[in-house]
Amino acid sequence: GAVVSQHPSRVICKSGTSVKIECRSLDFQATTMFWYRQFPKQSLMLMATSNEGSKATYEQGVEKDKFLINHASLTLSTLTVTSAHPEDSSFYICSARSRLAGGREQFFGPGTRLTVL
Amino acid sequence: TQLLEQSPQFLSIQEGENLTVYCNSSSVFSSLQWYRQEPGEGPVLLVTVVTGGEVKKLKRLTFQFGDARKDSSLHITAAQPGDTGLYLCAENSGGSNYKLTFGKGTLLTVNP
Repeated sequence: GAVVSQHPSRVICKSGTSVKIECRSLDFQATTMFWYRQFPKQSLMLMATSNEGSKATYEQGVEKDKFLINHASLTLSTLTVTSAHPEDSSFYICSARSRLAGGREQFFGPGTRLTVL
Repeated sequence: TQLLEQSPQFLSIQEGENLTVYCNSSSVFSSLQWYRQEPGEGPVLLVTVVTGGEVKKLKRLTFQFGDARKDSSLHITAAQPGDTGLYLCAENSGGSNYKLTFGKGTLLTVNP
């Protein structure tokens, strides 16, 4: 099956620093990658959609200058949380959509737990 | 953006009991997916339903899609502690990027 990895799985940083999270599709090429944020005991909230080689499309209320997304290749997307603050502490999950077979299904990564002190 | 309502929000039951969780919308779903998410992990797709009236089974899990494609249910028979997790329904918008809109989820705890 299609596998999506995220790195790091956990990160703790000081307020004001920037943190980069990587999302990789390991055995398929991803037409589109999605970034979600999830707070404890809540559902996934879509932050942005990115297509390889294009600028990301951000959902309403998500600051594009704070959450920088780079989709440099068909297997890698990165999310950089700039000048992180404690309220940015959350579980960040990426997903990837395959180019093959209609590409309707999203495959999810294991998530990255960000804690900002 | 379609609003998906899930109920109940929280459910705590004993091992061996049956349960049903629901996902509803005021609009017609193009297709609906059910996911299960364990703490600290990403969601895992359980099933996709597309046709009104469709019923799919996955071991002890039975998924139903309403005739009008505006509601869906997930029934678990003889729940086990391993079924504990967050159950999410999601609608695929069908646009060019196939964005998913998630319901708020049902947090299920099965006690031994």
